[in-house]
Order: sequence, then structure tokens, then C-alpha cells
Amino acid sequence: DAMVIQNPRYQVTQFGKPVTLSCSQTLNHNVMYWYQQKSSQAPKLLFHYYDKDFNNEADTPDNFQSRRPNTSFCFLDIRSPGLGDAAMYLCATSRGGSKRTQYFGPGTRLLVL
Amino acid sequence: GENVEQHPSTLSVQEGDSAVIKCTYSDSASNYFPWYKQELGKRPQLIIDIRSNVGEKKDQRIAVTLNKTAKHFSLHITETQPEDSAVYFCAAPSTQGGSEKLVFGKGTKLTVNP
Repeated sequence: DAMVIQNPRYQVTQFGKPVTLSCSQTLNHNVMYWYQQKSSQAPKLLFHYYDKDFNNEADTPDNFQSRRPNTSFCFLDIRSPGLGDAAMYLCATSRGGSKRTQYFGPGTRLLVL
Repeated sequence: GENVEQHPSTLSVQEGDSAVIKCTYSDSASNYFPWYKQELGKRPQLIIDIRSNVGEKKDQRIAVTLNKTAKHFSLHITETQPEDSAVYFCAAPSTQGGSEKLVFGKGTKLTVNP
């Protein structure tokens, strides 16, 4: 089945220790998104790639970076996690253009100790 | 840019009753409105969407209505069941940057009591 996959599902890191979350998709979609979701809140867009074009949200901290080495994979790097970065991180994809439906991965829950 | 307001923030109904969640948007050019359901600890899943060329769309117990003049759209769930309990998010296309972005409402926590 075509899908959006995220690894790991749970990640524990230490304060200030870099961490990388990964996302892959078999949908061959042009657009990949990274969202941060905290408890009882809507997903908050951090950035997205339209093909190789990177689009950062204005309020995304510099501590968050992203890489998309190819169509299928996208990575979220948190350079120095703080306690406030503990959250669910959701990857999503869409075809782009007029096809705006977004398909979400299962998420990675990040715990910062 | 686009602004999406969602109401109510919580909704409790008895099993078998109907539930209605409403969203308003600000950009009259918006033309795509999805609804996502998110169960506790799980991913948001698209349950229904509507494009601006229609006023209503139905899928079994779920329907969405769109009023372009008033700039609001609503999710209707009939004959609610306990498994409908979840957080529901509406969304509309962002008008900032690329239209491939969505602006989400703040969510409605629906509880269906057996």
C-alpha cells in the first residue's frame, strides 16, 4: 500500500543532543511537510518542500532544519532540543498544485529529558 | 493571509444524536476545504473534503456543507457512534506563499457518550 512512513515512532533525547527524525513516502508526491503538534493543539507547520524547493515558515526556530535528498525521503533535524521541543512531529505529503489533500504519517513522539 | 476559526472547541453528544462543527475562513478565493479526524495518539486522517464548486458533499453518515457567500463550512455527523469520538480539524488553503499549504482550525474535541 502506498503510504507515508515515519521512523522512529518514539524518540527520547537529552537536552541539547541533536536528533534526526525521518519520513519516507511511496506516494510519489511532490510536496512533503513537517508539522509539530503539541497536546490538544492543531498541527503547526514548520516547513515544506515542493520538489527540491524549501519553504520555511517565518516563525520556525533556527534550531529546526530539514533535508530532502530525494523525492521519497525527508528529514527533520533538531540541532539542540530543548524541553519545549517535546511534541509529536508529523510528516505529510501532497501532490501539490490543485491537489492539496495532505496525507499524514503516523508521527514521531519526541521526548526531551 | 487565510484565517480559519473553528467552533465549538468541545462537543459532547449522546450516541445516535447528530454533531455539527462549524468553521469560518477569511479569504474568498479559497476553494478547497478538508476535514481531518484525529484519534488520540494517532495521525490526522482525511474524512471528507469539499471544493468550492459544490455546496454539499455526503459520505454515509458524514456530510460537509459550504456557504461561499458567508465564508463558512460545516461538518455534519449523523447517528453518532462512540468510535466517532476524536478531535476534528477543518482547514483551508493558505494564501501566503504556495497554495499547497493548509491553515488548520484549532480543532473540536467530540465525545460521543454511549
